[in-house]
This record gives sequence, structure tokens and C-alpha cells, in this order.
Amino acid sequence: DVKVTQSSRYLVKRTGEKVFLECVQDMDHENMFWYRQDPGLGLRLIYFSYDVKMKEKGDIPEGYSVSREKKERFSLILESASTNQTSMYLCASRYRVQETQYFGPGTRLLVL
Amino acid sequence: GQNIDQPTEMTATEGAIVQINCTYQTSGFNGLFWYQQHAGEAPTFLSYNVLDGLEEKGRFSSFLSRSKGYSYLLLKELQMKDSASYLCAGAFSTDKIIFGKGTRLHILP
Repeated sequence: DVKVTQSSRYLVKRTGEKVFLECVQDMDHENMFWYRQDPGLGLRLIYFSYDVKMKEKGDIPEGYSVSREKKERFSLILESASTNQTSMYLCASRYRVQETQYFGPGTRLLVL
Repeated sequence: GQNIDQPTEMTATEGAIVQINCTYQTSGFNGLFWYQQHAGEAPTFLSYNVLDGLEEKGRFSSFLSRSKGYSYLLLKELQMKDSASYLCAGAFSTDKIIFGKGTRLHILP
């Protein structure tokens, strides 16, 4: 079975802090994604990566950056956390285009 | 851009059948995913339709009409554990997956 893990299930941070969310997949997937999920807005794509050291902006990249130094690991960085970044963050990976994404358990981030 | 539309909420009775509809814009469309998401958990894959027609997987079936830009997820013999959100997601030629906002399904005993 594909396993996608995220570094934290719950996280509380203060406004202005730098926040790192890490995602690791164990199935040698090429593609990895970061989404946030908010009530009434659904899943929104922040960034994705097709391969190591490659990254593409999604629909809402502002305030975020990413890093993919190794194939199995995709990190989301909030350079200076703000209260409007309080959300559920979901990482996903897939083997290739047109195949399903497998999601991690999510990180619920609260920014105070 | 591509829009994925599905109802916000639905209610059904245990043991009954429910159909959750999803519509999308057909431009650049490749296929359609359905995911199930229980509260506080990650979405899990249910089905992926590329060709027109109905695909059955146990109590769950998914239908696609490419020409009409329409899909539905059919859940039979509903159980309380089917209470969840159901996400429709379109795969497009831009390689992006566009998610609908999800349909929250409530099952009544």
C-alpha cells in the first residue's frame, strides 16, 4: 500500500513564525502536491512538483514556498505565518499523470 | 478555468440508494475521480472514469458522460459508515486535478 506521511497532525504557531510542513511518500512517486482545505472552499492546490528540484505554482501559492530535494520528500514552507493561513494542509502523491493521488493524513495548522 | 460543481449537502436513509451528481466543463477533460473523505481524515480514492458508462465496485458505482460533462456516484444499501464528504475531481489536459467543493452526505437511521 502507498503510504504518505506528514510530519504533524496538529500544529499551533504564532503570527510571523516560519513554519515547515513535511511530507514523505514511500512509493517512488514522481509527482507530489500540497493542498489546503477550508470549509466551503474545498481543496485548493498550493504547489506541486513533478520531480526532484522541480516545482510549479498551483492556484494559491502566495505566502508559501516549497522544497523538493529528494524524490520522497516534499516540504511546504510558510515564510511568515499569518492568521489567514490557519487551515488543514494535505499532501498528496501520485505515480504519474492520470493516476490517482494518495493523500497524507493532513496537518491542521492554527496560526494565532 | 475549469469548474467542478456538485451539491453541498445531501441526506439519505440507511439501506437506501443515493446518487451524487457532478458537472464539469468539457474543455481539455481527460477523466473524473471520486474520493471519499470522513471528517478529520484524508480523502481516499473511490473511482476513476475515463470512458462513458457505468463502472461498478461493490456498493459504489460511478457513471460518466463525456459529451454532457456529467458524472455521478451511486451508493447502494447505505450504511451509517457512508456518512462522509464525497469529492468529485476532474483531470484535465493541463495535468491539473481540479476538485469540487465536496458533497457532505448525511445518513439517517
